[in-house]
Amino acid sequence: AQRVTQPEKLLSVFKGAPVELKCNYSYSGSPELFWYVQYSRQRLQLLLRHISRESIKGFTADLNKGETSFHLKKPFAQEEDSAMYYCALDTDKLIFGTGTRLQVFP
Amino acid sequence: NAGVTQTPKFRVLKTGQSMTLLCAQDMNHEYMYWYRQDPGMGLRLIHYSVGEGTTAKGEVPDGYNVSRLKKQNFLLGLESAAPSQTSVYFCASRPMGGYGNEKLFFGSGTQLSVL
Repeated sequence: AQRVTQPEKLLSVFKGAPVELKCNYSYSGSPELFWYVQYSRQRLQLLLRHISRESIKGFTADLNKGETSFHLKKPFAQEEDSAMYYCALDTDKLIFGTGTRLQVFP
Repeated sequence: NAGVTQTPKFRVLKTGQSMTLLCAQDMNHEYMYWYRQDPGMGLRLIHYSVGEGTTAKGEVPDGYNVSRLKKQNFLLGLESAAPSQTSVYFCASRPMGGYGNEKLFFGSGTQLSVL
């Protein structure tokens, strides 16, 4: 069965601290993964996709097939990074995890 | 270019009432999705469609029906609303492409309360 697990509901850090939002997946095929972000009172929007190996707003994510993980990282958190972050697994469906709320304190 | 438009934005229903949520996209996208967002549960896929005239069940399809009679519209129906269906509903669409390539475009959401 396809499943996405985000074990942390809330992650709180101070500005300038490193951030890692965890995402694990379960899928028998070759996974394609996304990270979406929802800022307060805004629509969900794409942050980055595994297939393009990009870095957006300082965030990166590497697919680790051995650990079935796609953790989102940023070396120095900013206050404007405070938002809800969702990991998503892409097949014919697009399955999301339960989300992690990131709070960055000044 | 409006993108993905959901109507209505807010609705209050009594238990047992029916209603239809409309999602319209003007980007000629093949794929459309309906999700519900609940605290602590994240986004859960209700139904989706990979093209006009086709629909498929997602993770939580019970109590909902959908139709995709026109490519640009994806309707979500609640035949007999229950309090457990109180949620924020999001529609999304994307073009056909290889998995992992195409991002979702989201609507602004519909806040539904069932009393």
